[in-house]
Amino acid sequence: ETGVTQTPRHLVMGMTNKKSLKCEQHLGHNAMYWYKQSAKKPLELMFVYSLEERVENNSVPSRFSPECPNSSHLFLHLHTLQPEDSALYLCASSQESGRTYNEQFFGPGTRLTVL
Amino acid sequence: GDSVTQMEGPVTLSEEAFLTINCTYTATGYPSLFWYVQYPGEGLQLLLKATKADDKGSNKGFEATYRKETTSFHLEKGSVQVSDSAVYFCALWANSGYALNFGKGTSLLVTP
Repeated sequence: ETGVTQTPRHLVMGMTNKKSLKCEQHLGHNAMYWYKQSAKKPLELMFVYSLEERVENNSVPSRFSPECPNSSHLFLHLHTLQPEDSALYLCASSQESGRTYNEQFFGPGTRLTVL
Repeated sequence: GDSVTQMEGPVTLSEEAFLTINCTYTATGYPSLFWYVQYPGEGLQLLLKATKADDKGSNKGFEATYRKETTSFHLEKGSVQVSDSAVYFCALWANSGYALNFGKGTSLLVTP
């Protein structure tokens, strides 16, 4: 595998289910991100992990819970979601070196549908 | 706060037509500006970037010039191909923090 991979690619869940999205980066990067992409809206940054510590959390509801067990893996645990949470969830990674911008590499996303 | 506004799509062009996708931004200071492209079924890829005023980013025949006086970063290509069909996102980085501010995206469809 190369780049940033995400599984599953598609997920349908009921509002009472618990599921997890998985992201893996094969680029040796030290920062990972979760974004939400909804139709007709800008991409929303949800969480940022740098060196496996959460450094940014943009007022995301607690029904979304991230986990970063190591620098290559990132999870998004989902529970009691709402239909408006249906979206494409994108994972990205980058090599952070202080406060300069470094290109973020994106995975293909998980298309989530909440019924 | 910082924000990006880009033209609404979808944009439909014939092959070999000239492309312009408008992008304007609001930011304090001197942000870095980017165009990302998302092909069907894929994640976003960096297409080009510019980090200071009057810089021109270019890649794969696409160009965009950082115009501070008009706070714009319009994407252009002289002759589009069917393979350019995708969604294009304008984004800015405010030179601090981790967040990229994205526009809503412009869908481009190029027909043979």
